[in-house]
Amino acid sequence: GQNIDQPTEMTATEGAIVQINCTYQTSGFNGLFWYQQHAGEAPTFLSYNVLDGLEEKGRFSSFLSRSKGYSYLLLKELQMKDSASYLCAVIIAGNNRKLIWGLGTSLAVNP
Amino acid sequence: GAVVSQHPSRVICKSGTSVKIECRSLDFQATTMFWYRQFPKQSLMLMATSNEGSKATYEQGVEKDKFLINHASLTLSTLTVTSAHPEDSSFYICSARTSGGARNEQFFGPGTRLTVL
Repeated sequence: GQNIDQPTEMTATEGAIVQINCTYQTSGFNGLFWYQQHAGEAPTFLSYNVLDGLEEKGRFSSFLSRSKGYSYLLLKELQMKDSASYLCAVIIAGNNRKLIWGLGTSLAVNP
Repeated sequence: GAVVSQHPSRVICKSGTSVKIECRSLDFQATTMFWYRQFPKQSLMLMATSNEGSKATYEQGVEKDKFLINHASLTLSTLTVTSAHPEDSSFYICSARTSGGARNEQFFGPGTRLTVL
């Protein structure tokens, strides 16, 4: 079966750093995405990892270890607007390359 | 670039009516489009995958006769919720992907909020 695990909720303080973990067990692997979703809106792309290692993009970084089936999203210098749900998604093998989604981590950034 | 639009953004209808939602890729050709449904405080649930010019592939548990999908062109896919009932009320989101591109990225539309009375 396909399984993606993320923490349900996290809380952090404005200006701090937070790491959101994601573990996966899927039939095949063609890449892992992190998306941000604010309430009532569609997801927006944050990062994509297909090779092991760290990808840095501004305040956001994403790490992947394929051998461990593990990824994390690192958010630095947290801002209030970063309060949102963060979704981990894996592309599985197959012609349609569909995404398998985690349930999302709801992050609350407090002043 | 890579903009996907959805129309309407919000719709309220009576039980038993049918509702059509359009998903358009505005500046690229989408060989594959995905339709998702999202209930409050839950993750995205893939309903079906549609490839231009062929029948949609539905996920297990999704009624293909109730959720009609048409992907007639490389820039347009439609989802019709037939004989809608209150339990169909949800946030429907489409995404589109090109045939090329190494990232396999899906570009999401803004979503359609359906409320069935």
